[in-house]
Amino acid sequence: QKEVEQNSGPLSVPEGAIASLNCTYSDRGSQSFFWYRQYSGKSPELIMSIYSNGDKEDGRFTAQLNKASQYVSLLIRDSQPSDSATYLCAAGGGADGLTFGKGTHLIIQP
Amino acid sequence: GAVVSQHPSRVICKSGTSVKIECRSLDFQATTMFWYRQFPKQSLMLMATSNEGSKATYEQGVEKDKFLINHASLTLSTLTVTSAHPEDSSFYICSASVLGPSNEQFFGPGTRLTVL
Repeated sequence: QKEVEQNSGPLSVPEGAIASLNCTYSDRGSQSFFWYRQYSGKSPELIMSIYSNGDKEDGRFTAQLNKASQYVSLLIRDSQPSDSATYLCAAGGGADGLTFGKGTHLIIQP
Repeated sequence: GAVVSQHPSRVICKSGTSVKIECRSLDFQATTMFWYRQFPKQSLMLMATSNEGSKATYEQGVEKDKFLINHASLTLSTLTVTSAHPEDSSFYICSASVLGPSNEQFFGPGTRLTVL
């Protein structure tokens, strides 16, 4: 059974600070990892994808992958109130569907 | 690019009726389409994987006779919830992907199904 684990939160972060979101996955065969942002009642929106060990930066977002530890993280710098949402970590992709974590509810406090 | 649409966005139906949901890739040809379901305060759960011209592959616990999937072309997949019951009320989301190094899936906006 493939599993992706996330802390459901809520995670409360002051505006302007760094928000750190983490997840772990069970399937060592997973090659692709994604972070999605989901607002209430809406479909997930892709934030970052990462495929190899290390860091990947895109604007205010940095994804980190450690395959040895089966650990994926997302850092959001200079957090804004509009970043408040549920962040879903997912593993898999390609011909296989994605396995999602339950999501971390992030609250950015003005 | 990579836009996926779903129709309808919201549907309310009586118990026992069937509901069809369409998923279209608007600007690309999707080799594979996926159907997910999300209950309130839960994560997305993969229901089935759909490849054009072949039978869908269903996840464990998903009834293939209840959730009929047709993938007639590289841009269209349909999910029919047959004899819907209140417990089928959920947010149904499709995604489409193109085989390649990125393995990205592009999600549709979702369909909110309410069965009375």
